[in-house]
Amino acid sequence: NAGVTQTPKFQVLKTGQSMTLQCAQDMNHNSMYWYRQDPGMGLRLIYYSASEGTTDKGEVPNGYNVSRLNKREFSLRLESAAPSQTSVYFCASREKAGSSYEQYFGPGTRLTVT
Amino acid sequence: AQSVAQPEDQVNVAEGNPLTVKCTYSVSGNPYLFWYVQYPNRGLQFLLKYITGDNLVKGSYGFEAEFNKSQTSFHLKKPSALVSDSALYFCAVRDMDGNKLVFGAGTILRVKS
Repeated sequence: NAGVTQTPKFQVLKTGQSMTLQCAQDMNHNSMYWYRQDPGMGLRLIYYSASEGTTDKGEVPNGYNVSRLNKREFSLRLESAAPSQTSVYFCASREKAGSSYEQYFGPGTRLTVT
Repeated sequence: AQSVAQPEDQVNVAEGNPLTVKCTYSVSGNPYLFWYVQYPNRGLQFLLKYITGDNLVKGSYGFEAEFNKSQTSFHLKKPSALVSDSALYFCAVRDMDGNKLVFGAGTILRVKS
């Protein structure tokens, strides 16, 4: 079991460029999440997908789009990157059953926008 | 709205001493509470959770947390700190709809030898 995997690990973009962050999980989890982590601000939810075929906005969705490609994969797209999107991005997944509310995280993507 | 607060940005402890990382919560209904740890350049790792039952919850790496309803707290504890426990710790609470977690700002734990 690889758990939650993310690609790429690092990325540098110029302002206005676009890119897609990839996330996959092999735990057969129903729910998947995208967060950004900034110093002193903890984790902030960008988008989530409670189940395959659904996506919902989180706390900070502006400037991002997501696609739940299938049960395993959940991608995050920056259409026109801005310096304010410099951050570390984490994907997470959760088994939507019983009292299993804990989420499992990937290793992160460190994005710099210049 | 559900929320958690971690009142300390940083906690410093000597190796071998007990450690406490504080978390208070504000919720409607019964709280579902979590602790995560993040080592440098890594993702968050789940440590433990409180859903119901015993107020003292045991988790990974020798950590435990005490749920206190009257003080609305869920402090993380360990009887004897290790240098390898140095990391960033997050408290979290389940959101009202059950789909999301709301995280605190995090507390840096530094254990010195």
